[in-house]
Amino acid sequence: NAGVMQNPRHLVRRRGQEARLRCSPMKGHSHVYWYRQLPEEGLKFMVYLQKENIIDESGMPKERFSAEFPKEGPSILRIQQVVRGDSAAYFCASSPPSGAYAGNEQFFGPGTRLTVL
Amino acid sequence: GQNIDQPTEMTATEGAIVQINCTYQTSGFNGLFWYQQHAGEAPTFLSYNVLDGLEEKGRFSSFLSRSKGYSYLLLKELQMKDSASYLCAVRNAGNMLTFGGGTRLMVKP
Repeated sequence: NAGVMQNPRHLVRRRGQEARLRCSPMKGHSHVYWYRQLPEEGLKFMVYLQKENIIDESGMPKERFSAEFPKEGPSILRIQQVVRGDSAAYFCASSPPSGAYAGNEQFFGPGTRLTVL
Repeated sequence: GQNIDQPTEMTATEGAIVQINCTYQTSGFNGLFWYQQHAGEAPTFLSYNVLDGLEEKGRFSSFLSRSKGYSYLLLKELQMKDSASYLCAVRNAGNMLTFGGGTRLMVKP
């Protein structure tokens, strides 16, 4: 049973380009979460999605950032016109439908490390 | 909103016991999680508390007091491989986690 998968693991972009980060949740998981982690800092929530629905995007910057989780395929975090401050590790996590497990913990993928030159 | 505090760094000796504290103020509470994160890697789940008291899992235990907004993670018989960051996270009613800044634990021989 594969865990949460993210690709690419490392992504280098020049300022002004677009970055697309992909996340495939664990099998049976229908909830996906995106987090950003700056060096030496904690994880900051960005967005929570279920299939074809954005449940909460309160942590997403209002401009340039968007996320989707289509009916088929992985969840995508898209950053348009990247700036140096977007350089960070972006982690995706997934969890089963509510109630499936008592703890219902989120399982994290290996992350995508974005570097903006 | 949510506010979660934990010490930035701790140092302990191999074989010893260390307690990492976490205090939180939240507008809604639906469980507290501890994760371990080695440098450059993904966080991995350690423990979950939703009711007051102690949850024990091998060398690791976690305690929660909801009335005090307080939790701790206890690591016994420390090993060098326990050197990592330990993240305290509170889940709200909307199923979202808010993380503290993490505690970087260094285990020395």
